[in-house]
This record gives sequence, C-alpha cells and structure tokens, in this order.
Amino acid sequence: AQKVTQAQTEISVVEKEDVTLDCVYETRDTTYYLFWYKQPPSGELVFLIRRNSFDEQNEISGRYSWNFQKSTSSFNFTITASQVVDSAVYFCALTLGQDTGRRALTFGSGTRLQVQP
Amino acid sequence: DTGVSQNPRHKITKRGQNVTFRCDPISEHNRLYWYRQTLGQGPEFLTYFQNEAQLEKSRLLSDRFSAERPKGSFSTLEIQRTEQGDSAMYLCASSLVAGGSPLHFGNGTRLTVT
Repeated sequence: AQKVTQAQTEISVVEKEDVTLDCVYETRDTTYYLFWYKQPPSGELVFLIRRNSFDEQNEISGRYSWNFQKSTSSFNFTITASQVVDSAVYFCALTLGQDTGRRALTFGSGTRLQVQP
Repeated sequence: DTGVSQNPRHKITKRGQNVTFRCDPISEHNRLYWYRQTLGQGPEFLTYFQNEAQLEKSRLLSDRFSAERPKGSFSTLEIQRTEQGDSAMYLCASSLVAGGSPLHFGNGTRLTVT
C-alpha cells in the first residue's frame, strides 16, 4: 500500500520569504507518479505539477520549484518570494503507474500555508 | 473546456434521509473519481469509473453508498440513510486514461447531516 506524509501541518511566513513544503512518500512500486495540488479557500483542488518515478530532474516554474529525490522518497515544493495569493492548503499525492493496481491518488494530509502581508 | 461540474454545491439533510450528488466530468475524460474530504484532512478515495465500469471501491464506501455512471458520462453518488459522520465535502474528479494523468477536480458538494 502507498502512503504520503506531509509532516508540516501549518506554516506561516511573511510575504517575500521563501518557503519549502515537505512531502515523503512510501510505495513498493517502481513506477509511480507524484503530484502537488493547491486548495485555496474557495475549495477547488488545482493541479500544480506531476513527476514520474524515472525523472528525478528538479523543475522550476516561475516562483515554484520541486525537488524530487528517490533516495529519500521525498518530493518537496519550494515557493520563492511568497505572496499573499499563495495562501492555501497544499497537498502532495501519489499514484501507481502500472496497468494493475490502484489508479486513484493517495493524498497526504496537507500543509496549510499562510502568507502574511 | 468547462471543467468538472458538481451539483449541488451544498446540501443540508436530516439524519436518515437519502441524498444524491451529480458530477459532470470534462467531456473527453474517460475516468471519473469520487473522493471525500473532511476538515483538515486530505481527500480520501471512494471509488472510480473507467467509462461506465466501476473499477475500484474503497473500504470507506459502505453499503449505504452507491455510485453510478450509466452512460460513461456523468456520475451520481447516492448516500442512503445518512448519518452525521457522512458530513463532508464530496469531490468529483476526472482524468484521461493514460497512466499518471492528473486528476481535475470539481468544486465539490458540501454535505451537512443534522
């Protein structure tokens, strides 16, 4: 069975600070995908990024960057120069990539990020 | 692309009543998922369909819960004899079949059982 752990329940930063959200996952499968979703106060889960288990390259998209390390089973998310609009709950999630096995996402419990002006 | 649509947005019902929620996925998506989210938690998987076939059900989906996707398009989730513990946000998502395709979520239906 797979599991996703987000140990940080809540983080509060001041605008323009950098912040890293941690995600640790467990799976016995060698083929899997990792995701980050954002859930703003409006409630809708917004897809941010997907990585597959064979691609450990870090990725940067604007102020967002992701660090995937299979050696530590981690997929951490960094927001550079945070803004108030980044305030939301962020979820890390995992799904298997093979034809058999669960296709549904397994989510972590989320990290609530509050960015103060 | 109008996104995933869920109705109603809110539902308040008395314990013991039956409720039904509807989800309209993104039109070209073959897979449709139902999740439940309680306050302070991540979404928990309930069930998913590929076209009209229900391929997996979570242990969370008790006998009082039933989901259908009769024509492989929209889906309904019915809860019979609701209990206060059923109060939660019910999320629907859809995706393409390709492995690792991201799920696109609707705004959810918030159920309150009094």
